[in-house]
Amino acid sequence: EVQLVQSGAEVKKPGESLKISCKVSAYSFTRYWIAWVRQMPGKGLEWMGVIYPPDSDTTYSPSFQGQVTISVDKSINTAYLQWSSLKASDTAMYYCARLNNALDIWGQGTMVTVSS
Amino acid sequence: DIQMTQSPSTLSASVGDRVTITCRASQSISSRLAWYQQKPGKVPKMLIYRASILESGVPSRFSGSGSGTEFTLTISSLQPDDFATYYCQQYDSYPDTFGQGTKLEIK
Repeated sequence: EVQLVQSGAEVKKPGESLKISCKVSAYSFTRYWIAWVRQMPGKGLEWMGVIYPPDSDTTYSPSFQGQVTISVDKSINTAYLQWSSLKASDTAMYYCARLNNALDIWGQGTMVTVSS
Repeated sequence: DIQMTQSPSTLSASVGDRVTITCRASQSISSRLAWYQQKPGKVPKMLIYRASILESGVPSRFSGSGSGTEFTLTISSLQPDDFATYYCQQYDSYPDTFGQGTKLEIK
């Protein structure tokens, strides 16, 4: 079964750094782009950016450019989303998803809570 | 960025009703549109891609149509499991963008 398994929930303080992960299984990691999507509490879906695992070609939404970094480690079939300095407004659920036409397979989500 | 506008934002309907949700793009996106369903506390699920192609395993009461700037998602006969929030998404040009969502409620 194709799966994207994300790392667990995080509670952080403002200013801290964070890297969350998305490990894929049961398909060739280098065949499809991986996207990240944010969902703030009670709000809609926001597309953050995508990465192409074979060469790490990355495109960010202007809303997230410079705020996060998307990366991959091909050796362990894992994509990452990271922050260097979290803000309270980063509190949200973050999803990774496989881009196959549209976003056909989603991870279970990682809840990130940033609070002092 | 391409803006995606869904209407209505909230829709109250009964089991057995036929419902339609509209999604408009601020510029032409050809047929590069997907629809997702999300239930509270759950992961979004892709229902339709390329405007009208039903994802495998999705019930046939769901259908999509449209091209260019106007698209619709239709549920032919609402079932209790269909009460959820629905999002459209364009993937014609980066950044991909979602509509604001349509919450389908039980009347």
